[in-house]
Parts: sequence; structure tokens; C-alpha cells
Amino acid sequence: EIVLTQSPATLSLSPGERATLSCRASQSIGIFLAWYQQKPGQAPRLLIYDASNRATGIPARFSGSGSGTDFTLTISSLEPEDFAVYYCQQCGNWPGYTFGQGTKVEIK
Amino acid sequence: EEQLVESGGGLVQPGRSLRLSCAASGFTFSDYAMHWVRQPPGKGLEWVSGINWNSDKRVYAPSVKGRFTISRDNAKKSLYLQMNSLRPEDTALYYCAKDLELGALAGPFDFWGQGTLVAVSS
Repeated sequence: EIVLTQSPATLSLSPGERATLSCRASQSIGIFLAWYQQKPGQAPRLLIYDASNRATGIPARFSGSGSGTDFTLTISSLEPEDFAVYYCQQCGNWPGYTFGQGTKVEIK
Repeated sequence: EEQLVESGGGLVQPGRSLRLSCAASGFTFSDYAMHWVRQPPGKGLEWVSGINWNSDKRVYAPSVKGRFTISRDNAKKSLYLQMNSLRPEDTALYYCAKDLELGALAGPFDFWGQGTLVAVSS
């Protein structure tokens, strides 16, 4: 089973700063990685799929990169509404669609 | 506007059964694979099960395989999850989610419902 490890667990930043979130897979998953944002009391929202493609309606400040085992989600300049928990998910290997444990981006 | 509305959650004793439903609207339900994802209170996301557009392929997480059954009724635009032999560790908010890709089970999930809460306790 593929394990996704996200780091850091918590990222404390100020609005306007750049956020860099990491997701590492225990084995190669090609580009089959997605990123989600979840705010308290809300369902997850798809941000990025296939490692670097923005989902419909997602602002350009969100970008994804990587392949194989190492992936990065970058938020170029944090807006107040970006403070949330972010999850990565692999979609390329069975069994299943594993999620990482999440990174919380909090206001410093 | 796409919409997914889950129902059927509640408090149930260990070993009992529960059936969740998800009603879809705003998109061609029969064109897409669908999934169930759960989230224990205060914890992360866990994919539970998925079904392709015509029910030919059904897949399960190891933690629920043999206990849970996913199904769909395209005429009713509905997705279901039959949960048997429930355990306390199945306690979670259960989300219904739509696959991004047409037809096949592929992921990721581009639209989610708001979830229905399942609590397993004596």
C-alpha cells in the first residue's frame, strides 16, 4: 500500500507570504497526485490534479509540481481565505486512493 | 449546479448495519464513477469505496472490504453504501464524491457532498 507523507504538519504564515507544502509517496506514482483544501465544517475542494493541473475555478496563486515520489503545492501569496488544511491524494496505484495526513496552514 | 446530498447516517450499535444514500443532481450521474470517503471527527480523510459508471467495477479499502457494499441506481441518480458489521472505528463523517473523469474509476474527486455522520457505539 502506498503511503503519502505530508510535511510540515503545520505551517504558520502571514497573509501575503508564500506557502510551500510537501507530499512524499512511499513509491512512485507518476503524476497521479491531487491536492485538496478543506476548511472547518466544509467538504474538501479539489485544487490540483495530475500533479500540476489546476481544477476548474481555482486561482492561479495555487500551483503544483513534482512527479514520481516528491510533490509540492505552492500558494504564491496567501490570501485570508487560504488558511485551511491541505491534503494530497494519490490516484495512480492500487489499493485505493490514499490520502496524506494533511498540512494545516495557520495564521501566524 | 452540481449537488450531492448524503443521508442515512446515525447512531448504531457495534455489529449492526446501516445504509447510506447519496442523491445527485446538476450533472449526468450515469456518466461518472462515484466514491465514498470518510473522515473521523478531528482526523484526516480516508477513501472507502468506489464504483464505475455502470457498476461493472467496485473497489474497496482494505479496512472495509467484506463488510461494506457500494452500489448505484443510475435511473434514480443515487449512490449507496451498505455497511454491515459496523465497528467503533467506522465512526466518521461519510462523504459522497464524484470522480473527475468520465466513466472509469480514475480519481481524483472534483465534487463532494456535505457528508452524513455515522456513530458506532454501544
